[in-house]
Amino acid sequence: RKEVEQDPGPFNVPEGATVAFNCTYSNSASQSFFWYRQDCRKEPKLLMSVYSSGNEDGRFTAQLNRASQYISLLIRDSKLSDSATYLCVVNGGYQKVTFGTGTKLQVIP
Amino acid sequence: DAGVTQSPTHLIKTRGQQVTLRCSPKSGHDTVSWYQQALGQGPQFIFQYYEEEERQRGNFPDRFSGHQFPNYSSELNVNALLLGDSALYLCASSLSSNTGELFFGEGSRLTVL
Repeated sequence: RKEVEQDPGPFNVPEGATVAFNCTYSNSASQSFFWYRQDCRKEPKLLMSVYSSGNEDGRFTAQLNRASQYISLLIRDSKLSDSATYLCVVNGGYQKVTFGTGTKLQVIP
Repeated sequence: DAGVTQSPTHLIKTRGQQVTLRCSPKSGHDTVSWYQQALGQGPQFIFQYYEEEERQRGNFPDRFSGHQFPNYSSELNVNALLLGDSALYLCASSLSSNTGELFFGEGSRLTVL
């Protein structure tokens, strides 16, 4: 089993749609969780951290379920500028950070 | 405040050659991690340096080696290059005391012919 697994994608959605990405991780001792965004041929950049209580940043909502070892990202009212690859990232402690393979999102006019 | 800088941005090598990639971390950061990202894949952890020592290592052969200098900058060396080493090599800096955000450089795109 991979340490971090994500929906394979790609997700093609119309502008204004709501889209959700899922991610599972295998290490139950993992300490912190993140979503990164990566534009084509660019470096990954932090989108948001993920907390057990769930957190929201504008149109973006992240959820963590430690019991199920599951992380999600919800994007509401999708914009063309949201088109990118979204990477699920898990910190297993001592900064051993593992990335998922990423899910590609294409928002269509 | 300069972010993470990497050099060179692009390079082409042939099989069997050796390459050195360089990284300067974000100001104030003391930890440098290196990742390899093949096309269509997520970044794969190579190793991490802190206090001039390799602290963690991923599943990469000994052909991949590194170094961290007293000013926290770092180098990644790859010997005996293979075609499969063609990838984007990303450097990420962070604070050792922080289990949070990694700051990435724009990467060095290596092509092995």
